Amino acid sequence: DQQVKQNSPSLSVQEGRISILNCDYTNSMFDYFLWYKKYPAEGPTFLISISSIKDKNEDGRFTVFLNKSAKHLSLHIVPSQPGDSAVYFCAASAYNTDKLIFGTGTRLQVFP
Amino acid sequence: GAVVSQHPSWVICKSGTSVKIECRSLDFQATTMFWYRQFPKQSLMLMATSNEGSKATYEQGVEKDKFLINHASLTLSTLTVTSAHPEDSSFYICSARGTTQGLAGSTDTQYFGPGTRLTVL
Repeated sequence: DQQVKQNSPSLSVQEGRISILNCDYTNSMFDYFLWYKKYPAEGPTFLISISSIKDKNEDGRFTVFLNKSAKHLSLHIVPSQPGDSAVYFCAASAYNTDKLIFGTGTRLQVFP
Repeated sequence: GAVVSQHPSWVICKSGTSVKIECRSLDFQATTMFWYRQFPKQSLMLMATSNEGSKATYEQGVEKDKFLINHASLTLSTLTVTSAHPEDSSFYICSARGTTQGLAGSTDTQYFGPGTRLTVL
């Protein structure tokens, strides 16, 4: 049972435009969400997170939006840069636990 | 940001041998570390939670006698794959919980090591 889903396995965006990566979850106990960036044969790198008490969190070019009623979150990257090309994972954790449940990832390619 | 290292970065071994993977938090102390594995083109799956000074907590379906975890200090956790078999070949990643300062303020989250590629022949 995949509790965190990223339905788009890949996304291609032109440099300078906005990249929007989506993530859906099924467990209503999740209250903390994170986005990680991963290159092949490397560990994930933390990008940005959001608590369920907020619906938006922004850090530089990265903004995460959370829609609790729809159990949906998205990561916006603007402007997109070629160096952003990687696999992006969303992850979720439930109240009072450190366990992270990861989505299946979306491969982002930013072309010039 | 917080730095987590893993050693070795890759290992090839014969079936039946044991392999130890080290995970270190370099610039912070981590009372809790996590071990994940990732098969090709799949998500990261949590294997176990490693607690300093106590027994690890394993996820359902993970054999604790096969994947031995030791968290002897606040900066080191080890995962030993005992009697490895080809089906154990995977990418093993550890993480440690730490705090980092970003543009949006401090964030307490998991920081991941670079991973260890295990190939069992």
